Amino acid sequence: AQSVAQPEDQVNVAEGNPLTVKCTYSVSGNPYLFWYVQYPNRGLQFLLKYITGDNLVKGSYGFEAEFNKSQTSFHLKKPSALVSDSALYFCAVRDITGNTPLVFGKGTRLSVIA
Amino acid sequence: DSGVTQTPKHLITATGQRVTLRCSPRSGDLSVYWYQQSLDQGLQFLIHYYNGEERAKGNILERFSAQQFPDLHSELNLSSLELGDSALYFCASSVGGGLGNTEAFFGQGTRLTVV
Repeated sequence: AQSVAQPEDQVNVAEGNPLTVKCTYSVSGNPYLFWYVQYPNRGLQFLLKYITGDNLVKGSYGFEAEFNKSQTSFHLKKPSALVSDSALYFCAVRDITGNTPLVFGKGTRLSVIA
Repeated sequence: DSGVTQTPKHLITATGQRVTLRCSPRSGDLSVYWYQQSLDQGLQFLIHYYNGEERAKGNILERFSAQQFPDLHSELNLSSLELGDSALYFCASSVGGGLGNTEAFFGQGTRLTVV
């Protein structure tokens, strides 16, 4: 079975500082990995995905994520945080070998303080 | 705007009642997924339909059922409602059948409150 762990319920960062939101995954085969963001009273918005190739993936709003196969991690990063980045972030995984939908982590609430 | 439309946005109903949530996927998307989001359980996958056929089932209660119609819209039926069914219900759609690397696009959700 596939699963995702987001070890931090909450991440606080000062505006202008770099941010990292952590994600580790477990799948039996190779993964497809995704990050989504949820703003208050809104649906989830797709940020970026890792399929294959370069381990560093760039996405929307200046976010990027690094795939690390040996550590089974896919951490979300941004060089300089904005107050408007404050939201709930979800990591998701799908095993490429199975007919399975996306499995999501429990989410990490990011708070960027001015 | 993701292109996925969910109605209604809010629903308040009493225990024991039955409700229907509706989802219209993005134009051209054949897959529809239903997820339940609650504070303590996070985002839980319920069920996946592809081009009218059920593809996968997750943690969906027997009191819940879904279908996808020929025009590809989907409905999630929740019956014998309990207080614990109060949650945000999301629909998502994607082009593929759930096998590929395509991302899913989410609607804004239906907030169900059972009183």
